[in-house]
Amino acid sequence: EAQVTQNPRYLITVTGKKLTVTCSQNMNHEYMSWYRQDPGLGLRQIYYSMNVEVTDKGDVPEGYKVSRKEKRNFPLILESPSPNQTSLYFCASSGSGGDYLTQYFGPGTRLTVL
Amino acid sequence: AQSVTQPDIHITVSEGASLELRCNYSYGATPYLFWYVQSPGQGLQLLLKYFSGDTLVQGIKGFEAEFKRSQSSFNLRKPSVHWSDAAEYFCAVDFTGTASKLTFGTGTRLQVTL
Repeated sequence: EAQVTQNPRYLITVTGKKLTVTCSQNMNHEYMSWYRQDPGLGLRQIYYSMNVEVTDKGDVPEGYKVSRKEKRNFPLILESPSPNQTSLYFCASSGSGGDYLTQYFGPGTRLTVL
Repeated sequence: AQSVTQPDIHITVSEGASLELRCNYSYGATPYLFWYVQSPGQGLQLLLKYFSGDTLVQGIKGFEAEFKRSQSSFNLRKPSVHWSDAAEYFCAVDFTGTASKLTFGTGTRLQVTL
């Protein structure tokens, strides 16, 4: 089954404790993105990657890091989380095949930073 | 600046009634347009998309949307709403044409009364 998976689905942590949210897709997609969803703001892009070792900032990159060492994986790293990063995070991927230009989303990771 | 507007934060309709959710965008050319649905506690599911061609597009779950270039709009419609349609609906626009980024509206929460 074609899908985007994220782990963990729920995470409660404390300020300053480094964490990583993993994202993996099995569709051989070139593009991957991270978004955060906040009430009343919709989804905003954090970072995106056009292929292995190619990443770029989205609209709200501050406080986040990403890496793309393998095509299927795109982890989101919060090196020193703060309470304002409490949010619902989505990973998405899209490819150059038949469903070109269509982003498919993972199930989301709800992060709470205390 | 490129932007996406969903003017209705919350809409309530009776089961069996028709539905129209509004979406407007600000852009000089025709972008790629999407509607996603997010059920409570779930991720984002693609309902339909418009890239070019026929301005009336059909999607899943009985939804359709009409692109109107003159109004910069891409409104979502359904002739008869079911209670299971209660969810949050997001209009999203790809202004880049490269699948690298979606710009989302702030969402419309649909409530269905029985």
